[in-house]
Amino acid sequence: AQSVAQPEDQVNVAEGNPLTVKCTYSVSGNPYLFWYVQYPNRGLQFLLKYITGDNLVKGSYGFEAEFNKSQTSFHLKKPSALVSDSALYFCAVRDMGTSGTYKYIFGTGTRLKVLA
Amino acid sequence: DTEVTQTPKHLVMGMTNKKSLKCEQHMGHRAMYWYKQKAKKPPELMFVYSYEKLSINESVPSRFSPECPNSSLLNLHLHALQPEDSALYLCASSQGPPEAFFGQGTRLTVV
Repeated sequence: AQSVAQPEDQVNVAEGNPLTVKCTYSVSGNPYLFWYVQYPNRGLQFLLKYITGDNLVKGSYGFEAEFNKSQTSFHLKKPSALVSDSALYFCAVRDMGTSGTYKYIFGTGTRLKVLA
Repeated sequence: DTEVTQTPKHLVMGMTNKKSLKCEQHMGHRAMYWYKQKAKKPPELMFVYSYEKLSINESVPSRFSPECPNSSLLNLHLHALQPEDSALYLCASSQGPPEAFFGQGTRLTVV
């Protein structure tokens, strides 16, 4: 089965500094990887995805992610953090269930705090 | 329109009540999902419907009963819930683009 891991429960960064939120994956075959963000008491908002092709993926709100096959990582990055980026971030992988239907498996989440 | 709409936003119910959560999407997606999320935890998959048929049931207790009346609607019927079932219930849909689109969730409190 596919899985993703987020090694950090929380990341603190000063406003204006670059941020990185880490994710590693364990999949068989080619991975379909995603980043989602969740604000308090809200649903998940899609940020970006890696399917194939360029290892640097650009997404919403200035976020990007780097796919690294040799390190099995898919870290989320942003060159300059904003206080409004403070939220809960989930890495996810799409897996095929036994019935042939796709399902989405989430990492444990990383709370990002951007300090003014 | 990339919206998944969930109603109600908040629900408080007693342990003997029967209630339903609703989810609607008009993106033509043929896969729809129910997830349960406890505070500060990742979403956990409950059910997947594919082409209006139940495709995945992640061993969810029978007090949760999903229903997919048509390709745009997904319901979750609740009966005799326990306080530990209090959580944020998220609906999602997908097809075509590989990402799933999530609704804003229903915050359920069982008293």
